[in-house]
Parts: sequence; structure tokens; C-alpha cells
Amino acid sequence: AQSVTQPDIHITVSEGASLELRCNYSYGATPYLFWYVQSPGQGLQLLLKYFSGDTLVQGIKGFEAEFKRSQSSFNLRKPSVHWSDAAEYFCAVPNFGNEKLTFGTGTRLTIIP
Amino acid sequence: NAGVTQTPKFQVLKTGQSMTLQCAQDMNHEYMSWYRQDPGMGLRLIHYSVGAGITDQGEVPNGYNVSRSTTEDFPLRLLSAAPSQTSVYFCASSYGGGLAGVDEQFFGPGTRLTVL
Repeated sequence: AQSVTQPDIHITVSEGASLELRCNYSYGATPYLFWYVQSPGQGLQLLLKYFSGDTLVQGIKGFEAEFKRSQSSFNLRKPSVHWSDAAEYFCAVPNFGNEKLTFGTGTRLTIIP
Repeated sequence: NAGVTQTPKFQVLKTGQSMTLQCAQDMNHEYMSWYRQDPGMGLRLIHYSVGAGITDQGEVPNGYNVSRSTTEDFPLRLLSAAPSQTSVYFCASSYGGGLAGVDEQFFGPGTRLTVL
């Protein structure tokens, strides 16, 4: 089964600083990959997804992610974070013939003034 | 469109009690699923459905039942609640029936359940 690993449980970033959240996947072929965001007290919302083609994917809220096959990574980036970006971020990959979505354990992002 | 709605938002149960968590969507999505979210474990799939009348187990199905009699509704039943079922439960839906893993998932706001 495919899986994703998010090595950082919690990250703190100053407002206006750049952000990179790590996601590593375990699968030989090119996977489909997703990033979701969960704001406090809310359900999850899709930020962006990668299926194939251009390895740099643009998403909502100014986020982007880059697929790197050589590193088995799909890291999420934002050049300048805002206080409203404080949330939990989940990387995800399909499984079992694409009938199921498997999530990573999440990275909680705290923004400090 | 209301999207995905869940009721109740909060619930406290005693061990051994039963209850049903409600989930409804008004987007005519074929695929619906239930996840539980626990600290440090991300979201784990409980049950899912690829269309009315069709359900299947996810990673952590024990202690939960589901049915899908209509496209819109996908209730989750706890038959005999246990403290290990204390969690936040999310319902999600997506357009594709057989390709749920590649469609955008739309999530409800969640139900916070405590079992004493």
C-alpha cells in the first residue's frame, strides 16, 4: 500500500517568513498526491493536487508544491505566511485502486507575530 | 449548496450506549466516507461507499456500521460505544464512485465524540 510520511509534527514560523512543509511518499511509480489544510475547528479543504506533468503545482491561498521523484517528496511551500495560515496540513495519497485516500499524520503550523 | 453537513457537532456517550452520527451531502456525489481523527495519527478511514447500496470497510471499521440507502445520506452507527472511540469524526464526499482517491474530497465540519 502507498503511504506518505510527514516528518514534522509541529512547525512555528514568523508572520511574513517563508514556509516549507515536508511530505515523503513511498511508491515506485508516479503517484497522485494531495495537500489538504484543516483550519481550527473545521473540516479539511483541498489546497492542491499533483497527477502528472509539471512538477510544480499551484494551489489556493498562495501555496505551491513541488514533486521530486529523486527525493520521493512533495513538499508544500509558501513564500510569505499570514497569521490566517495557522492550521494543520495533511499530505495524502490514493490507495487500493484509487478507491481510498491515505493521509499523513499532519503538521501543525503556528504563526508568531 | 450546503455541501457536507454533519450532526451532531458534539456528543457525550456512556460506555455501551449506541448512537448514529448523521452525514448528508447535496452535491450528488457518488463517493462518501467516514474518517476518525486522533492526535498524532492523522485521519483514518472507517468505512466508505462508492454509491447507494454499496459500502466497504476502511482501515479501522471495528465497532462501526454504515449503510447507504440514498445518494445523499451516509450515517455512521456506533453499536456499543467504548472509550477508544473518543475521537473527532469527519464525513467526506467526492464526485467519482470508483476513483475516490483521485477526486477532491469535500469534508463536513466534524463531530466531536467523547465516550466516558
